[in-house]
Amino acid sequence: DADVTQTPRNRITKTGKRIMLECSQTKGHDRMYWYRQDPGLGLQLIYYSFDVKDINKGEISDGYSVSRQAQAKFSLSLESAIPNQTALYFCATSDLRVSANEKLFFGSGTQLSVL
Amino acid sequence: ELKVEQNPLFLSMQEGKNYTIYCNYSTTSDRLYWYRQDPGKSLESLFVLLSNGAVKQEGRLMASLDTKARLSTLHITAAVHDLSATYFCAVDLGNQFYFGTGTSLTVIP
Repeated sequence: DADVTQTPRNRITKTGKRIMLECSQTKGHDRMYWYRQDPGLGLQLIYYSFDVKDINKGEISDGYSVSRQAQAKFSLSLESAIPNQTALYFCATSDLRVSANEKLFFGSGTQLSVL
Repeated sequence: ELKVEQNPLFLSMQEGKNYTIYCNYSTTSDRLYWYRQDPGKSLESLFVLLSNGAVKQEGRLMASLDTKARLSTLHITAAVHDLSATYFCAVDLGNQFYFGTGTSLTVIP
């Protein structure tokens, strides 16, 4: 089983719909992140969380919200989806306890298309 | 605002050749990471560079970091087809990771 699991893997929705992307991890990491990937733009940070009570906006948080339901779960919501939110979304985790080696561990991604 | 620039964006090289990918960033940081992404797949960590002058090697790939120049390089030696992928650098700034635009590498037989 994957250490960082994202659901769904693919989603097609219509403009104005509410969408939730879910991420769960079995790595025991404190830190969780949501990124979006657009062709030619690399990855952009949407939100990040260092523990259950800590939520922070990233570079491109407008139009998105998140919920850290537990240490292992971090959900991303699009309250009213718009076509320019069509992208590949990644959840990632890192380990607060390994401060000198905080590389990211990524989920498999969710391809979201907003029509 | 931290900017992370990679070049080239696209690289096509023949098997057996050497080449270097460059990653420049705009704000002081002494933590830089390299990731690999295969088509349709997620990202996997390649290297973690945590200080000025750090050098890491794994197989045909070698990464280095010059924090004074705000530059990291990923050197490819004697490329093979299996290295075809997109490579990203990422800079750690206050526990936020900022990614470059990626370099799409194609190794031609």
